[in-house]
Amino acid sequence: DTEVTQTPKHLVMGMTNKKSLKCEQHMGHRAMYWYKQKAKKPPELMFVYSYEKLSINESVPSRFSPECPNSSLLNLHLHALQPEDSALYLCASSPGLIYEQYFGPGTRLTVT
Amino acid sequence: GIQVEQSPPDLILQEGANSTLRCNFSDSVNNLQWFHQNPWGQLINLFYIPSGTKQNGRLSATTVATERYSLLYISSSQTTDSGVYFCAVPSGSARQLTFGSGTQLTVLP
Repeated sequence: DTEVTQTPKHLVMGMTNKKSLKCEQHMGHRAMYWYKQKAKKPPELMFVYSYEKLSINESVPSRFSPECPNSSLLNLHLHALQPEDSALYLCASSPGLIYEQYFGPGTRLTVT
Repeated sequence: GIQVEQSPPDLILQEGANSTLRCNFSDSVNNLQWFHQNPWGQLINLFYIPSGTKQNGRLSATTVATERYSLLYISSSQTTDSGVYFCAVPSGSARQLTFGSGTQLTVLP
C-alpha cells in the first residue's frame, strides 16, 4: 500500500481564522514533507521531517506551523494567512531521505 | 542549487500518437522521479529511475545520468494521459525534490 491521505480536500478560510491540514501514512516511512503548489507552477518544498524531527524549513513564514506528533502523522497549522497563500498543499512521505517520495492528493486552500 | 529543465512546455497530440518528454538537470544525481499530475492535482508516481531504462505498460523512461538527462516515452496515447508531467531530482541536505517546470500534455480524442 503506497497511500498517503490528506484532509480536508478543500478548505476556505478567512485571514483571521486558524485551521489545520492533516497528512497520514501507514507505510512505516520515516520522512515526511510539505510542498506548496501555485497554479501552473511546480511544487515547492516547505518543510521536511525526518524521524519526527524538523530537518528543513525553507524560510516559510511563521503563519505556517508544522507539527509531526508521531511517525505516521504530519500536520500543518495555519494562522493569519494572506490571499496569496491560496494554493494546493501537498504532503509526501518516503522510507528515508534518499528514497522515492509518494504524494497525497493534496488540500486545495483558498484564503479570502 | 540544481537546475531542472523540461521540454516541451506544452504538447498536444491526437489519441494514438506517441511522444517523448525530456528532462535535463544541471548536476549529477543519484535518483530521478517522473510524475503525472492529473486534473485534480494528484501527483502519481510513474518511475523512480536513477539510471537505465524502465517500462510500465505504454510508458517507459530512460535516464542517462552521465549526460544529465532523462526521457519519458508515451506510446499509443489516450485521453486519460492528459495532464502535467513532472520530473524531479533530489538536492540539498535533506534530499528534497527539486521539480522541473513540467510538460502540459493534452491528448485529443
